[in-house]
Amino acid sequence: NAGVTQTPKFQVLKTGQSMTLQCAQDMNHEYMSWYRQDPGMGLRLIHYSVGAGITDQGEVPNGYNVSRSTTEDFPLRLLSAAPSQTSVYFCASSRQGGGTEAFFGQGTRLTVV
Amino acid sequence: GQQVMQIPQYQHVQEGEDFTTYCNSSTTLSNIQWYKQRPGGHPVFLIQLVKSGEVKKQKRLTFQFGEAKKNSSLHITATQTTDVGTYFCAGRNFNKFYFGSGTKLNVKP
Repeated sequence: NAGVTQTPKFQVLKTGQSMTLQCAQDMNHEYMSWYRQDPGMGLRLIHYSVGAGITDQGEVPNGYNVSRSTTEDFPLRLLSAAPSQTSVYFCASSRQGGGTEAFFGQGTRLTVV
Repeated sequence: GQQVMQIPQYQHVQEGEDFTTYCNSSTTLSNIQWYKQRPGGHPVFLIQLVKSGEVKKQKRLTFQFGEAKKNSSLHITATQTTDVGTYFCAGRNFNKFYFGSGTKLNVKP
């Protein structure tokens, strides 16, 4: 099993550009989520989804959009990149509405210049 | 808003010494999870605690969930160099997880 797959692994954007971070899981998990990790701040929840067609905001949703058209995929869109969005982004999935073990992807290191 | 505080931020120990990290939440949690992240890696699940006062052990690791379900701790007995990494707690409130800022453990051989 591939588990949770994130692409790309690294990305450099110019301020104002948009892009989509991809996340796919092959474990048929209902719950998927996006986090950003900044030094000294742990992981902060951006958006999450409890199933296909359902998404909701986390702690730091501004500047990001998500959609969940299938169980497998949960892309994260940066609408207009800003230097403050420079971070490492992790996608995670779990069963049963998030109340079980979360499996994380390898992460995407994003730099906005 | 919801916050999960974790201390200490860093801990340097000699191999064989014990290590403890603590998490405190501003609100009651449904459950708490613990993760380990190796340098350059992604978080890996260690354990989940659900019940008030719960204690779970995994070999040299002991996890506790407070009676009020607002605090938790991870204790490692006799650390080894393989324990190096950052340990995070993650408290669940409804469908959202709130991660602590992590404790970075360095073990000197």
